[in-house]
Amino acid sequence: GAVVSQHPSWVICKSGTSVKIECRSLDFQATTMFWYRQFPKQSLMLMATSNEGSKATYEQGVEKDKFLINHASLTLSTLTVTSAHPEDSSFYICSANPRTGGDGYTFGSGTRLTVV
Amino acid sequence: GQQVMQIPQYQHVQEGEDFTTYCNSSTTLSNIQWYKQRPGGHPVFLIQLVKSGEVKKQKRLTFQFGEAKKNSSLHITATQTTDVGTYFCAGVWGLNYGGATNKLIFGTGTLLAVQP
Repeated sequence: GAVVSQHPSWVICKSGTSVKIECRSLDFQATTMFWYRQFPKQSLMLMATSNEGSKATYEQGVEKDKFLINHASLTLSTLTVTSAHPEDSSFYICSANPRTGGDGYTFGSGTRLTVV
Repeated sequence: GQQVMQIPQYQHVQEGEDFTTYCNSSTTLSNIQWYKQRPGGHPVFLIQLVKSGEVKKQKRLTFQFGEAKKNSSLHITATQTTDVGTYFCAGVWGLNYGGATNKLIFGTGTLLAVQP
């Protein structure tokens, strides 16, 4: 089946530093990818829609200068958390729709970010 | 805004008992999807419902979409320990052509615990 590969699976960084998270669609082209954030025992909150070759669309309340999204190719989207703070610690996860029947979205395995 | 509420937040059952989670939107949905997330894992697509009043079955799982396309339910018959996890509905509003660019808004989720 369709696979979205997400790296790293976990990362610990110091406050004030930046962290880049990558999502790759391995066997399909994804002109659109979605980035979510999930706090413990909570739901997935959509942060932004990543569009290949154009600017990302951010959900209300999400700082675009803090969460930089780049979708440079049909198979790669990146999320960079800039000047990270402890409150940014969360589970970040990407998804895309492979359009291979069933209409379900495929999710990456997620990135556990801890800012110390 | 687009919000999807789910009840209950948590349910604990004995193995063999039935389980139901309910999903409600304040506005009419284009379609609704259901996902399962195991502890520490990522959401996995279960099914999509599109038509008003639609009912779909997957083995012990029965999914329903309300007549007004504002609510949905997932019913599991005779739960097993493998059913443990959080079940999310995810709504789609205003379908875009092709489907791959439609963003999903996740419900609040229902955590299912099954005691052997």
